[in-house]
Amino acid sequence: DAKTTQPNSMESNEEEPVHLPCNHSTISGTDYIHWYRQLPSQGPEYVIHGLTSNVNNRMASLAIAEDRKSSTLILHRATLRDAAVYYCILRDIVDAGNTGKLIFGQGTTLQVKP
Amino acid sequence: DAGVTQSPTHLIKTRGQQVTLRCSPKSGHDTVSWYQQALGQGPQFIFQYYEEEERQRGNFPDRFSGHQFPNYSSELNVNALLLGDSALYLCASSLVPVGGINTGELFFGEGSRLTVL
Repeated sequence: DAKTTQPNSMESNEEEPVHLPCNHSTISGTDYIHWYRQLPSQGPEYVIHGLTSNVNNRMASLAIAEDRKSSTLILHRATLRDAAVYYCILRDIVDAGNTGKLIFGQGTTLQVKP
Repeated sequence: DAGVTQSPTHLIKTRGQQVTLRCSPKSGHDTVSWYQQALGQGPQFIFQYYEEEERQRGNFPDRFSGHQFPNYSSELNVNALLLGDSALYLCASSLVPVGGINTGELFFGEGSRLTVL
């Protein structure tokens, strides 16, 4: 499984944008880029995913480099409730039966200051 | 619409004992996966159940076993507990689309916190 590299921690001020980077230099053509986050005392929560094009949803935006070797999760206006561990995960879609396996790394712990 | 529910939320066992954790998937979901999360670490994939069969397994010993019932709910069993089994056990559910490839999200429960003394 291809691996991802993320900074251990980042800080942000409330109501400012946050850019969370992820490197995945060994990504394959069939790997989707998924982001999950885990708030304190909760299970992980899906944030967004993409393949090649940038993606937007109500929670965040995902910017994917043209060579797909890196991506950035963008929170447009951080709130205190966004303080969490953010995981960047590659997910191979070739084997349709393997739908439940995610390889989590250490993730990035985001601290949001008021 | 109920999400993924897990029980119990917390439990304490002693070394050598056995434990059973339970999971009800999100309504309409047919696939359940189990993860172990040690303190300060990311979740580690244990195994996945679909159509009442174990479909994929992570790097966990045979002491870890599971079951999926016809209503898609699932159990995780751990035998001969070790101190190192102390962790948060997470259940996640998803739906395999008919004739398609699932690129969608997993829905996680809040977990069962197991402490082994």
